[in-house]
Amino acid sequence: GAVVSQHPSWVICKSGTSVKIECRSLDFQATTMFWYRQFPKQSLMLMATSNEGSKATYEQGVEKDKFLINHASLTLSTLTVTSAHPEDSSFYICSASRGVTNSPLHFGNGTRLTVT
Amino acid sequence: AQSVTQPDIHITVSEGASLELRCNYSYGATPYLFWYVQSPGQGLQLLLKYFSGDTLVQGIKGFEAEFKRSQSSFNLRKPSVHWSDAAEYFCAANFGNEKLTFGTGTRLTIIP
Repeated sequence: GAVVSQHPSWVICKSGTSVKIECRSLDFQATTMFWYRQFPKQSLMLMATSNEGSKATYEQGVEKDKFLINHASLTLSTLTVTSAHPEDSSFYICSASRGVTNSPLHFGNGTRLTVT
Repeated sequence: AQSVTQPDIHITVSEGASLELRCNYSYGATPYLFWYVQSPGQGLQLLLKYFSGDTLVQGIKGFEAEFKRSQSSFNLRKPSVHWSDAAEYFCAANFGNEKLTFGTGTRLTIIP
């Protein structure tokens, strides 16, 4: 089956530093990737939609300058949390789509970010 | 507005007992519907999906779900739960694009 790899699985960083999270589709070309944020015991909130070769589309309330998304190839999207603060601590999950509307999304295993 | 509702935040069942997790959606047409399971600190695994056709769909790990248009529901069921089924379950819908809208999730606890 399709596999999405997300790296790192956890990261601890100091306030003010930036952190990059990678999302790779390992056995299919992902025309679209999605980035979600999940707070403890809550559902997944879509942050942005990333299309290969174009700018990401951010959901309302998500700071695009804070959460930089790059989708440089059909198998890789990156999320960079810039100038991280403790309130950015969360579980970030990516998912990838083959580009078909009714295709189920394949999810990475998530990245636990802790900002101290 | 398009939405997915999971009315039960937390459900506890005994091992071996049957399970039903509720999911309702709000949409003018029939969306594409999914159930995902999430273990602590992990990503999401697809259990099953409904696009059209037979309203009773079978998934992995012995789960099934029934789509009921009249009730705008897509409830997840399992006849006999195992301790390993303890996890968070999310119902999700695709309302015509590639985005998924998730319900708030139901945490399943299994007691011996």
